[in-house]
Amino acid sequence: DAKTTQPPSMDCAEGRAANLPCNHSTISGNEYVYWYRQIHSQGPQYIIHGLKNNETNEMASLIITEDRKSSTLILPHATLRDTAVYYCIVRVANTGNQFYFGTGTSLTVIP
Amino acid sequence: AAGVIQSPRHLIKEKRETATLKCYPIPRHDTVYWYQQGPGQDPQFLISFYEKMQSDKGSIPDRFSAQQFSDYHSELNMSSLELGDSALYFCASSLGGGRNEKLFFGSGTQLSVL
Repeated sequence: DAKTTQPPSMDCAEGRAANLPCNHSTISGNEYVYWYRQIHSQGPQYIIHGLKNNETNEMASLIITEDRKSSTLILPHATLRDTAVYYCIVRVANTGNQFYFGTGTSLTVIP
Repeated sequence: AAGVIQSPRHLIKEKRETATLKCYPIPRHDTVYWYQQGPGQDPQFLISFYEKMQSDKGSIPDRFSAQQFSDYHSELNMSSLELGDSALYFCASSLGGGRNEKLFFGSGTQLSVL
């Protein structure tokens, strides 16, 4: 199954763009990349997902490299409420399409 | 919009007791997932169900069992509780178990084993 690697922590100034990287070098061609975040022991919250094209929604943008071995989540204007642990997840393309969380990046938005 | 409902929100049990956690998925969602998150840890996949049948199994202890009922709600039964079972238990639901279906998570049940 594809595993992900993320930096353990990052800081970002309030109002600036937060760019969170993720490596998933063993991803298979039909496996999606998902991003979730968890704010202080609340249930993980969906942010965005994609297969190979870049995606944008009201929360964030997802940039996937052409070889699909890495991706970047972009929060365009970080606010204090964006402080959370961000998980990059590759949905495994076998029975049940398991949804494994990795170690995540703890993002702190600084005033 | 309706979200995933978990009950109870908090549960305190003693060692060797049993506990039952309940999960009510978003209406029309047919797939349910259970996760365990220990203190300071990341969520760990336990088990999932699609259309009332177990679809996949993760690191669920033999002391735990789960099922999905005809109304699609699910229950996680935990027996012979141990101190190490103290954790946040999340349930998630999706419409189908396909790779392009996002999961919606509930607020979790905080289980404390004393």
